[in-house]
Formats: sequence, C-alpha cells, structure tokens
Amino acid sequence: NAGVTQTPKFRVLKTGQSMTLLCAQDMNHEYMYWYRQDPGMGLRLIHYSVGEGTTAKGEVPDGYNVSRLKKQNFLLGLESAAPSQTSVYFCASTQGQSSYNEQFFGPGTRLTVL
Amino acid sequence: GDSVTQMEGPVTLSEEAFLTINCTYTATGYPSLFWYVQYPGEGLQLLLKATKADDKGSNKGFEATYRKETTSFHLEKGSVQVSDSAVYFCALAEPNDYKLSFGAGTTVTVRA
Repeated sequence: NAGVTQTPKFRVLKTGQSMTLLCAQDMNHEYMYWYRQDPGMGLRLIHYSVGEGTTAKGEVPDGYNVSRLKKQNFLLGLESAAPSQTSVYFCASTQGQSSYNEQFFGPGTRLTVL
Repeated sequence: GDSVTQMEGPVTLSEEAFLTINCTYTATGYPSLFWYVQYPGEGLQLLLKATKADDKGSNKGFEATYRKETTSFHLEKGSVQVSDSAVYFCALAEPNDYKLSFGAGTTVTVRA
C-alpha cells in the first residue's frame, strides 16, 4: 500500500495563478482532510470530506476550494493564488467511525507564491 | 472552542537526556488525545494516543498520560537518541468529531 500520496511535492506560483493539489489514498478511508502548516501555528484545517461527494469547511477555508468526486481522491484548488498562501500543505485520511482513529498523512506539498 | 497549547521550542538536548514536552488542552467534551511526530522532510505520523482519564499511551520509548484534572497530556522519554530529532505535535479530537485540533508543534534536536 502506498498510503496517502500527494502531487506535486513542490510548486512555485505567481500571484493570481491557479493550481490544483491532488491527494490520493489507497486505504479505502471515508474521511479526508487538507491542512496547511505554517511556522509557529501548527496544522490548520482548510477543508475536509466525510465521504465521496461531500465537502465541508474547516478553520481556514477562504481562498481554497475542494472536490471529492472519487472516494480515493481529494483535490485542493487555489483559484487565484496569493503570497499568504505560501505554506506546506498536508493531506490526511482516516476511516472514521471513531474520533480515536489515527489520521494518516501524506508527505506534503511545499507551495511558494511570489 | 477547542485548543491545544504546547511548550514552545526549539528544544536542544544531548543524547541520552530526558525529554519532556508539555501539552495542555481546552475542550468542551471528553476528547481523545494524541501525539504526532514529523521527521524532517516527511508528513506527520501518529506516535501515541489515549482516550480516557489516566490512560497511558506509549510507543518507541515515549509515554504520555491523560490527566483530566490538569487537562494535560505531557510527552516524556527517558533517554533520547539522535533519531528522535523531529517536530512533535499534541492534538485532540472531541467525541464523534473527526477533526483534529493541533498545537503549534515543538521542534526537538538531539545532539550526539
């Protein structure tokens, strides 16, 4: 099993450009998440999904959109990138059913917006 | 709302030293508590967890005890190694809530 994979690993954008980050998991997990990690702030939840075809806002959703058309994939989109979106983005998944269950994380995408 | 407060880093230790990272939380319910670890260049991975008062989570020589009376979940290791150099995150999840609330993270560097 590959676990949780993220594409791309690195990306540099100019202000105003758009891009999509792809997250894929092969564990048949119901729940998927997108976080951003910034120095001194830990991980903050952007959006999440509790199943195929569903999405919900997290703590910092502004400027991002997501889609979960297939159970194994969770896409994060930036329509018009801003320098404030420079961050490391992590995708995670979990089976759900219990808040005690472990979340499994991808290796991250480092995004720089100039 | 829920929140997690960790001791600020960075923490620098010598090999075989004792490590403690303090974590306290605020929650409306009776949360599950976690420690996640992030090694350089990698994503987070679960280190240990506890779901009820006085539970002790343990893994790889690390331990943490769920203290409801002090709303704390401090991480400890008796003898650290260079390979323990990483960022450590305390986190909580409320019952029936599948979202994690993370602390800011503590960077630990162990010198040989």
